[in-house]
Amino acid sequence: QQQVKQSPQSLIVQKGGISIINCAYENTAFDYFPWYQQFPGKGPALLIAIRPDVSEKKEGRFTISFNKSAKQFSLHIMDSQPGDSATYFCAASIVGGYQKVTFGTGTKLQVIP
Amino acid sequence: NAGVTQTPKFRILKIGQSMTLQCTQDMNHNYMYWYRQDPGMGLKLIYYSVGAGITDKGEVPNGYNVSRSTTEDFPLRLELAAPSQTSVYFCASSSASGGKNIQYFGAGTRLSVL
Repeated sequence: QQQVKQSPQSLIVQKGGISIINCAYENTAFDYFPWYQQFPGKGPALLIAIRPDVSEKKEGRFTISFNKSAKQFSLHIMDSQPGDSATYFCAASIVGGYQKVTFGTGTKLQVIP
Repeated sequence: NAGVTQTPKFRILKIGQSMTLQCTQDMNHNYMYWYRQDPGMGLKLIYYSVGAGITDKGEVPNGYNVSRSTTEDFPLRLELAAPSQTSVYFCASSSASGGKNIQYFGAGTRLSVL
């Protein structure tokens, strides 16, 4: 019930292309869905987040699409750049209470010139 | 702003040795967490704390212990290190304000047990 399933495990995209990473969750009590970006040798850092009362959130080239009925959400990176090469984690949590976060297994994105 | 600071950055241990991974945050966050990251496995929660003096187990607590005597510090103790504890360890903190749960991570400690 606490799992967050993420796919694909790895992704290679040409510069300028669209990168798409998908996640699915089971626990309908989750009410906060962040994406974290991690560069080699660094800790993860928040990239963008969404709450389930909206279907889409856009920040620059990064967009989260959220489908509450299907219990799925995805990250779209438009005009992908070599600097976007990193590992991306989706996550889900319940705000308040113990504030625990359940992370997906990560997607290693490589953007090639 | 230092944020979340972890020490050491790297460590090699022999089987059976013990060590403490240090974590401190300067954001006055009540919530703190320890994760381990293994290739292809994402981040697994080891222990967490909701405030000074309050800790609880996460998904993978065996072989580890924590304490939280102050808001700032949340050390992770490894007793009798085993090769299965070879991993990258991340400490994180968060607050419950603003209807969000944003986790702020340290740079990690890379541990090898040989």
